[in-house]
This record gives sequence, structure tokens and C-alpha cells, in this order.
Amino acid sequence: QQQVKQSPQSLIVQKGGISIINCAYENTAFDYFPWYQQFPGKGPALLIAIRPDVSEKKEGRFTISFNKSAKQFSLHIMDSQPGDSATYFCAATGYGGSQGNLIFGKGTKLSVKP
Amino acid sequence: KAGVTQTPRYLIKTRGQQVTLSCSPISGHRSVSWYQQTPGQGLQFLFEYFSETQRNKGNFPGRFSGRQFSNSRSEMNVSTLELGDSALYLCASSLVASRRTGELFFGEGSRLTVL
Repeated sequence: QQQVKQSPQSLIVQKGGISIINCAYENTAFDYFPWYQQFPGKGPALLIAIRPDVSEKKEGRFTISFNKSAKQFSLHIMDSQPGDSATYFCAATGYGGSQGNLIFGKGTKLSVKP
Repeated sequence: KAGVTQTPRYLIKTRGQQVTLSCSPISGHRSVSWYQQTPGQGLQFLFEYFSETQRNKGNFPGRFSGRQFSNSRSEMNVSTLELGDSALYLCASSLVASRRTGELFFGEGSRLTVL
């Protein structure tokens, strides 16, 4: 119940294309869903986050879509650029959860080809 | 504003030894969390400290311990090192207890290799 399942494990997209990464969770106590971006040799950095009271949040080329009933959320990267090549982690946390910290997905390694 | 600083960045130990890793959070941040990152298991939560008190602990053996000082700086210790402890250890800080916002600011990590 504490897992966050992320797919795909790796993704190759052409420059200008759309990158889509999906995550699913079981624990209905989760109420905050951030996405982190990690470049090689660096720590993860918060990219965008959503709470379950909205179905979509957009920041520039990055959009989170959230489906509360299906307990799924996804990251869409529009007009993908080579500079977006990184590992992306979805995560979840909930104030009422048994673990009071972020539960991360296993990550998706995105490669954007020029 | 300086980010989260972790020292040392790289270290090599042998089985049975112990190691202490240090983390200086962003100024004003009172919560510090530690994560272990490995290729197979991804990012796994170790523990979280807030105002010098351990608030949460992940599913790691008692060989993994930590503490937080009055200036919010934190250390984690791993005793009796095993080969499987080889990993990137990440420290993250946040203004409040992370479960409230999920907004963690990560350092670049300490890469531990156990031989």
C-alpha cells in the first residue's frame, strides 16, 4: 500500500516530441504528488507538484495529469528538448500516512534525441 | 542562498567499518531527511529529523542511525558496513516537516563504496 509504481523504466523521445511518464499508487491517504528531476551527479530537484483537489497542473512545458478515482498521475513534457534528458521520479506523501515522508517511484530515464 | 551541502562527496570503506556522513541544510530549514539511492531500489527513505527529534524512520536496520544538532545540521552513521550499503546517500532539507508539503531540497549526495 505504500508503493508508488512508475513506468516506463526508460524512454527515448525525439526532440520536439511529447514525453509521458505514468505513476500509480494504492494508499488513499496520499495527498501530495511531486515530480523530481535528477541529472547525473546531482541530487533530485522538485519539478512540479499537484494535490488531488485538481485534475491538472501546468508549468511551462511540464504538465501533471491526476486521476483520483484511478489513483494514477502522469507527467507530460511537451516539446521535449535534449536538455530534458534526465531521470524523473514521481513521489507521494500524505499527512495521515504511516510513513511521514516521500515515497518515490523507481524512476524513468528520459533521453531526448536531437 | 546556499543549497544543501553534503560531505564527504565520495568515500571508500571496507566491510565492517563504520562511516559518518554530514549534511548542512539550507539556512532556515529545520527539517532534514536522508535517503539511500541505489540503481535497483531507487530512492528509499531512511529517516527524518525536525528540531533535533527523529520524526520518522524507514525500514532500515539499526546499523543506520542519525542525529540532528541545534543548528539543524545533521549526521548519519552506518556501522558494521556491508557490501550492500554501497549507495548514494542523499540529504534533503525543508522548511517544515516534509510530510506537510513534500517540497524537499536535495544535496548532491555522498557516494559510499564498500569493498
